[in-house]
Amino acid sequence: DAGITQSPRHKVTETGTPVTLRCHQTENHRYMYWYRQDPGHGLRLIHYSYGVKDTDKGEVSDGYSVSRSKTEDFLLTLESATSSQTSVYFCAISEQGTGAFFGQGTRLTVV
Amino acid sequence: AQSVTQPDIHITVSEGASLELRCNYSYGATPYLFWYVQSPGQGLQLLLKYFSGDTLVQGIKGFEAEFKRSQSSFNLRKPSVHWSDAAEYFCAVTSGTYKYIFGTGTRLKVLA
Repeated sequence: DAGITQSPRHKVTETGTPVTLRCHQTENHRYMYWYRQDPGHGLRLIHYSYGVKDTDKGEVSDGYSVSRSKTEDFLLTLESATSSQTSVYFCAISEQGTGAFFGQGTRLTVV
Repeated sequence: AQSVTQPDIHITVSEGASLELRCNYSYGATPYLFWYVQSPGQGLQLLLKYFSGDTLVQGIKGFEAEFKRSQSSFNLRKPSVHWSDAAEYFCAVTSGTYKYIFGTGTRLKVLA
């Protein structure tokens, strides 16, 4: 399995609070991604990174920000959590020609 | 806009029967195509990928997929399904940007 670690694996937070999810890789892959998975919607791209400090928005980026200060770490921040952001969040990594490899996911509940 | 369509939300097959899961894409550039499998509570595992060359690609766990450019399809097949194949399957597409777009998934149920 690709070396991808997501933390935390589970989190319950209150509406309006900021939340940061961390993705750490040991594969030295260039590309990193944050997706959310919701029933009936499959996986939707939130943000992705194509290098250190290089990021771009996905299809559902509103309310989320990201940072990548090192190759191995990609942080996802919910600036002010809302109930609609209750979801399972997946980090993924890829390199040219490899396909994307996924972490185990973070289950986030906003109450 | 780029999109991936998996027209079947649920599919039920008997163990030992053949399987075909459909995937259609809309993508302006030359696509790179993938199939993933997800067991409950788990992350996604890459089954197979197509970048170029032979349009019939072999993957893990006995799965194969065929790229048909004229039909914008990349259907997943398995000649004989095992009970352990019950899971959710996702088709995905990307290109040189390496932004992966996923379909909404097909949930496979296998009857004993």
